[in-house]
Amino acid sequence: SQQGEEDPQALSIQEGENATMNCSYKTSINNLQWYRQNSGRGLVHLILIRSNEREKHSGRLRVTLDTSKKSSSLLITASRAADTASYFCATDGSGTYKYIFGTGTRLKVLA
Amino acid sequence: DTEVTQTPKHLVMGMTNKKSLKCEQHMGHRAMYWYKQKAKKPPELMFVYSYEKLSINESVPSRFSPECPNSSLLNLHLHALQPEDSALYLCASSQNHNGELFFGEGSRLTVL
Repeated sequence: SQQGEEDPQALSIQEGENATMNCSYKTSINNLQWYRQNSGRGLVHLILIRSNEREKHSGRLRVTLDTSKKSSSLLITASRAADTASYFCATDGSGTYKYIFGTGTRLKVLA
Repeated sequence: DTEVTQTPKHLVMGMTNKKSLKCEQHMGHRAMYWYKQKAKKPPELMFVYSYEKLSINESVPSRFSPECPNSSLLNLHLHALQPEDSALYLCASSQNHNGELFFGEGSRLTVL
């Protein structure tokens, strides 16, 4: 399977704390993306990082990419109850339209 | 308009029924996707259309039949499904193969 792995599978933190989730993938990529999914809903794009970038920020989100280790991490700072969701990384299959999603991290932020 | 609209939101069908899921986007995106998602699992890629042509079929059983009538519309025709096909079916679109995916809210399918 080309599917990436994410860890942890589940994460429970208090409001205000930081949440870090990791993604490892198997194939070469042009970019890696992170998505959020609220229970039973569609996925929402959070951030895209290209293979020649090492770090990217967007608001409270910080993404890193290490192509030598085929891994990425998503940091959510100062978490809020509204951040409770599943988070997925997705890789683009190196220039194809074959976006493959990782196994996901279920984040629960307690108020 | 940055929306991908999927209909119906919910569908219940028997194993002998024929039904269709519909997806529409008006962002001018040239790639459209069908994903299947089971509970607590990641979305699994089923089909990709690029410029209205089927470019990827991830070995999906023939009881699922995609169709792209024009650049804004994507259908998924369902026939003789099995109960294990019950899932959330997600449609997405993208401008190109390097950009973000825009997802619809999904069609939740139950096969009895």
